[in-house]
Amino acid sequence: GENVEQHPSTLSVQEGDSAVIKCTYSDSASNYFPWYKQELGKRPQLIIDIRSNVGEKKDQRIAVTLNKTAKHFSLHITETQPEDSAVYFCAASSGAGSYQLTFGKGTKLSVIP
Amino acid sequence: DTGVSQDPRHKITKRGQNVTFRCDPISEHNRLYWYRQTLGQGPEFLTYFQNEAQLEKSRLLSDRFSAERPKGSFSTLEIQRTEQGDSAMYLCASSRGTDESYNEQFFGPGTRLTVL
Repeated sequence: GENVEQHPSTLSVQEGDSAVIKCTYSDSASNYFPWYKQELGKRPQLIIDIRSNVGEKKDQRIAVTLNKTAKHFSLHITETQPEDSAVYFCAASSGAGSYQLTFGKGTKLSVIP
Repeated sequence: DTGVSQDPRHKITKRGQNVTFRCDPISEHNRLYWYRQTLGQGPEFLTYFQNEAQLEKSRLLSDRFSAERPKGSFSTLEIQRTEQGDSAMYLCASSRGTDESYNEQFFGPGTRLTVL
């Protein structure tokens, strides 16, 4: 089955700096890669996703890049703000009748004011 | 609130008891998923429904776990003879569409189960 590795497990940045979180996946059939933000005690919320037919997607301060050959994808957050502090999860799905998401173990991001 | 809802939000039970959780997906969503999340981990897939059909089950889903979605709307997850290792947050998610174009999964608030 699919295996998703996520690094780093914790990340501290100064407000205004950029943050990068990296994930690798094992199943070359995976074609959908969402990122979720989970604040303490709350549900995971989808913040951005990318499909295998594109290499990069951007939404304001958030961007995701995908390298299918290397089987890795990354989340980039620019101009970080204290409200970006949360746990971020990457995930992968193979689609093609299998819609389960396989999640990484999460990255706890702390933005220091 | 038109998001995914789950009930109850918290459940404390004694080892060996049975528990049942309910999930109400977003109304136009025909896919429904159950995940389990333990502290410091990402959600782990348990099972998936398309309409009323249960199409996938994880190896994590032992014989003590059963899920239903009888009319393709709400779903229930039952755990029989609970064990302390079942303590976790049980998350429900839903998504719409009949092809891969609509795979965005929206999560409910979860049911936190504590087995004493």
